[in-house]
Amino acid sequence: QLQLQESGPGLVKPSETLSLTCTVSGGSISRSSYYWGWIRQPPGKGLEWIATVYYSGTTYYNPSLKSRVTISIDTSKNQFSLKLSSVTAADSAVYYCARIGVSLGRGIDYWGQGTLVTVSS
Amino acid sequence: EIVLTQSPGTLSLSPGERATLSCRASQSVTSSYLAWYQQKPGQAPRLLIFGASSRAAGIPDRFSGSGSGTDFTLTISRLEPEDFAVYYCQQYGSSSWTFGQGTKVEIK
Repeated sequence: QLQLQESGPGLVKPSETLSLTCTVSGGSISRSSYYWGWIRQPPGKGLEWIATVYYSGTTYYNPSLKSRVTISIDTSKNQFSLKLSSVTAADSAVYYCARIGVSLGRGIDYWGQGTLVTVSS
Repeated sequence: EIVLTQSPGTLSLSPGERATLSCRASQSVTSSYLAWYQQKPGQAPRLLIFGASSRAAGIPDRFSGSGSGTDFTLTISRLEPEDFAVYYCQQYGSSSWTFGQGTKVEIK
């Protein structure tokens, strides 16, 4: 059974960089059938796509966040990571890592449990 | 960027009733790339429908999706107690993913 687990600090200071890692177990991150992505959800609000990476290293970014976001993949560790710079309180959210299926019309079939990141001094 | 607008914001229904949720796109969406999710409090979303009308693995057949172009619908034929949740539509296009703002299905 595929599992995704987010890890990283739960508290980040304003203007600093948020860094999260997603560890994938129960399956290879190098399969061509899938993309890997990050989605966030501010408390009580809706879902926002942040970024996606393919096993080859090809990346896709939300235009509204692109200037501050970097997504990367480490196939040797079966992990992918997110960096979001110059954070503000508006970046406080539950951050989910997820698997996106090519054959699912780019739908998201596996999600991590989510990790709450709070931006505060 | 394609904007997805879901309606209504909240749907108040009783168990056993039929739920019809709408997702309208600001420009045409390729049907292959339209999905629906269910989210319960404190949980990650769950994929229900992909390709506008294909049920994901393990999803009961009371859930169905339809539509094309700019108008898509998620129908729950008879609401079960576990179906009361928030539902999101999502599209992929031009190397970008976007979500609707969600519809909450609550117990009347």
